[in-house]
Amino acid sequence: GENVEQHPSTLSVQEGDSAVIKCTYSDSASNYFPWYKQELGKRPQLIIDIRSNVGEKKDQRIAVTLNKTAKHFSLHITETQPEDSAVYFCAASLSNYQLIWGAGTKLIIKP
Amino acid sequence: GAVVSQHPSWVICKSGTSVKIECRSLDFQATTMFWYRQFPKQSLMLMATSNEGSKATYEQGVEKDKFLINHASLTLSTLTVTSAHPEDSSFYICSARDLAGGPGELFFGEGSRLTVL
Repeated sequence: GENVEQHPSTLSVQEGDSAVIKCTYSDSASNYFPWYKQELGKRPQLIIDIRSNVGEKKDQRIAVTLNKTAKHFSLHITETQPEDSAVYFCAASLSNYQLIWGAGTKLIIKP
Repeated sequence: GAVVSQHPSWVICKSGTSVKIECRSLDFQATTMFWYRQFPKQSLMLMATSNEGSKATYEQGVEKDKFLINHASLTLSTLTVTSAHPEDSSFYICSARDLAGGPGELFFGEGSRLTVL
C-alpha cells in the first residue's frame, strides 16, 4: 500500500526566511497531494493541494511542487510570519479517496 | 467550503462507561467519513472508514467492538467508545469529503478530546 514519509519532523526558521517541508510517497498511482496546517488543539485545515497533472501551484506565500518521477512533493512557505507556526501534514490520495498521511512537521518561526 | 461539525468538543468520563461522538456534514452529503485518533505531538492515525448504509472498515489493530461506528445517514456518522479506559484518552477527529467533482479537500470536524478517569 501507499506510504508517505515527511521530513523534517521539526523545522525552526527565522521570521522572514523561507521554510521547505518535503514528502515522498511510494505508490505511483497516487494523484492528489494536499497539505494541511494544524494549530495546537485545533482541526487540520487545508492550505494548498496539487493534483498529479500539475507540477507546481502557488497561493501567495505558499507553494507546492510535485515531482512525479521521483515521487516527492514539497511545501514552500516564503516570508514566514509568526502565525505560520504550526504542525504541517502532507498526504497522498489514491483513487479510493482515502488519504495517507505523513508524520507531520512542527514549524517554529523565531522572532 | 464545506462544513463538518463534531460533538462534543470535550468529554470526561469514568472508566468503564461508553462515550458517543457525533460527526455531521452540514452542507453536503458524505457517503464516506473517516475517523482519526491523534495522540499529542503525533500524526493523524486513521481508525476506520465509515460507510453510509454498510459496515465500517477498520484499520489493522483497531478493535471494532471497542470503537463502534454507525453511519446511518448521508450526513451523520457516530463513534462510540465502549467501556472506556484511561488509555482511550485521546483527540478523536472525524473528516469527510464532498465527492462532487472527484477527489478533493478533506474537511475535518473540530475534534473531540476524550479524557477517561
